[in-house]
Amino acid sequence: AQSVAQPEDQVNVAEGNPLTVKCTYSVSGNPYLFWYVQYPNRGLQFLLKYITGDNLVKGSYGFEAEFNKSQTSFHLKKPSALVSDSALYFCAVRDGILTGGGNKLTFGTGTQLKVEL
Amino acid sequence: KAGVTQTPRYLIKTRGQQVTLSCSPISGHRSVSWYQQTPGQGLQFLFEYFSETQRNKGNFPGRFSGRQFSNSRSEMNVSTLELGDSALYLCASSLGGRDTQYFGPGTRLTVL
Repeated sequence: AQSVAQPEDQVNVAEGNPLTVKCTYSVSGNPYLFWYVQYPNRGLQFLLKYITGDNLVKGSYGFEAEFNKSQTSFHLKKPSALVSDSALYFCAVRDGILTGGGNKLTFGTGTQLKVEL
Repeated sequence: KAGVTQTPRYLIKTRGQQVTLSCSPISGHRSVSWYQQTPGQGLQFLFEYFSETQRNKGNFPGRFSGRQFSNSRSEMNVSTLELGDSALYLCASSLGGRDTQYFGPGTRLTVL
């Protein structure tokens, strides 16, 4: 079965510093990976995705993610964190065609990012 | 373009009742998926509809059901509510069957 793991429940970073939110995946076949962000009492907002191609994926709000096949990782990064980036971040993997197709997403447990002044 | 809308945003029910939640996808999107979010279980997939057909179903009891209409709007129904059904129910739409999903704000269901 497809799965993703987010090893950190919370990440704290000072404003202006770079941030990394970690995600590792386990899939059969090619991975289709996503990052979403959730602000309090809101739905999920799409940040970026990796389907194929360049290992560095650029997304919304200055976020980017690095796909590493050998380490089965897809870490979310931002060069300079903002207080407004404080939110809950989810990594997700989509079922592959070989596992039945469809658009089902399997999510990690989420990482709470706290950016402090 | 308007985003995914879900109604109602908040709902309070008692055990044993049933509830229907509604989702209107982004205009032109044909696929709608539903997810349940709870503090204990996280985000879990409920089901997916594409062109009025259920294409995928998660591991939930038969009390959870859904449907999609010809205009791509979708509803999900939960019958015989249990306390454990209290959750944020999220709907997501995508253009086609394997495109990026965009989420609505969710419906917060509280079962008393």
